[in-house]
This record gives sequence, structure tokens and C-alpha cells, in this order.
Amino acid sequence: GENVEQHPSTLSVQEGDSAVIKCTYSDSASNYFPWYKQELGKGPQLIIDIRSNVGEKKDQRIAVTLNKTAKHFSLHITETQPEDSAVYFCAAPPLYGNKLVFGAGTILRVKS
Amino acid sequence: GAVVSQHPSRVICKSGTSVKIECRSLDFQATTMFWYRQFPKQSLMLMATSNEGSKATYEQGVEKDKFLINHASLTLSTLTVTSAHPEDSSFYICSAWDSHSTDTQYFGPGTRLTVL
Repeated sequence: GENVEQHPSTLSVQEGDSAVIKCTYSDSASNYFPWYKQELGKGPQLIIDIRSNVGEKKDQRIAVTLNKTAKHFSLHITETQPEDSAVYFCAAPPLYGNKLVFGAGTILRVKS
Repeated sequence: GAVVSQHPSRVICKSGTSVKIECRSLDFQATTMFWYRQFPKQSLMLMATSNEGSKATYEQGVEKDKFLINHASLTLSTLTVTSAHPEDSSFYICSAWDSHSTDTQYFGPGTRLTVL
């Protein structure tokens, strides 16, 4: 089945700097890669996703890149702000079915 | 983005009682919803897939008689924790798959269950 690995587990950056979180997946047939942000005590919120027909997608300060050959995708946050502090999860679907397999999560701390 | 609601947001119950959690997709129809459990500082653990009009599919190790799932309409799935015990205390989160429009999964805000 699908296996998703996420790195780093924790990331501390200074306000205004960029943050990058990387995920690798095992199923080469996966074609959808969402990123979720989870604040303490809340449910995950979809912040950006990418499908396999494009290599990059950007939404203001957030971008996701996809390398299908290497089977990895990354979340890029530029000009980080304290409110970006949260846990971020990447996910990928298995070949069959629509269940998402989640990475272990990355705790992002933005220091002001 | 699409909205998924959960009710209640917090519940405290006595050991041995049953608790029902509702998950609703507010602005789209969801033939498939998912129920997750999350322990502190851990990732999301899928418990079961809720299919509208049919039986839920449970993940390995999840007791179907303990965690009853009903998906009676295209906008509502319920999770009932039966005969709850302190070890069932956790953060339960549902999600709904918008397969008709955005083909994207959206999460509810979660329910904090505390069993005394």
C-alpha cells in the first residue's frame, strides 16, 4: 500500500524566512497530493493541493512542487508569519480507493 | 472552501455510556465520509470509511461493534462510541469527500471526547 514519509518532524524559522516541508510517497500511480494545516484543538484545514498533471502550484505565500519521477512533493511557505505556526500534514491516495494516507506531520514554529 | 461541521465539539461522559458524534457536509453532497482518531502529537489514524446507503468499511484493528457508523444521507454521517471507556478518550475528526465538484477531502473541526 501507499507509504508517505514527511520531513522534518519539527521546523523552527524566524518570522519572514521561508519554510520548506518535504514528503515522499511510494505508489507511483498516486495523482493527488494535498497539504493540510492543523492548529491546536482544531481539525485539519486544506491549504493547497496539486494533481499530477502539473509540477507546481502557488497560492499567495504558499506553493507546492511535485516531482513524480522522484516521487516527492514539497510545501513552501514564504515570508512566514507567527500565525503560520501549526502542524502541517501531507497526504497521498493509494492506487485503489479514495482514502488518503497521511504523513506523520511537521510542527512549524515561526519565531517573532 | 467547502464546509464540514461536527457536533458536539466537546463531550464528557461517564464510563459505560454511549456517545454519538455527527458529521455534516454543509454545502456539498458526500457519498463518502471518513472517521479519524487522533492522539496528542500524532498523525491522523483512519478508523473507517462511511459509505452512504451501505455499511461502513473499518480499518484493521477497529472494532465495528464498538464504533458504530451510520451514513443515512448524502450530508450526514454519525459515529457512535458504544460503552465508552477511558481509553476511548481522544480527538475524533470526520472528513467528507467532495467527489462531484472539487474531488477534494475536507475535514470537520473535530470532537474532543473525554470518558471519565
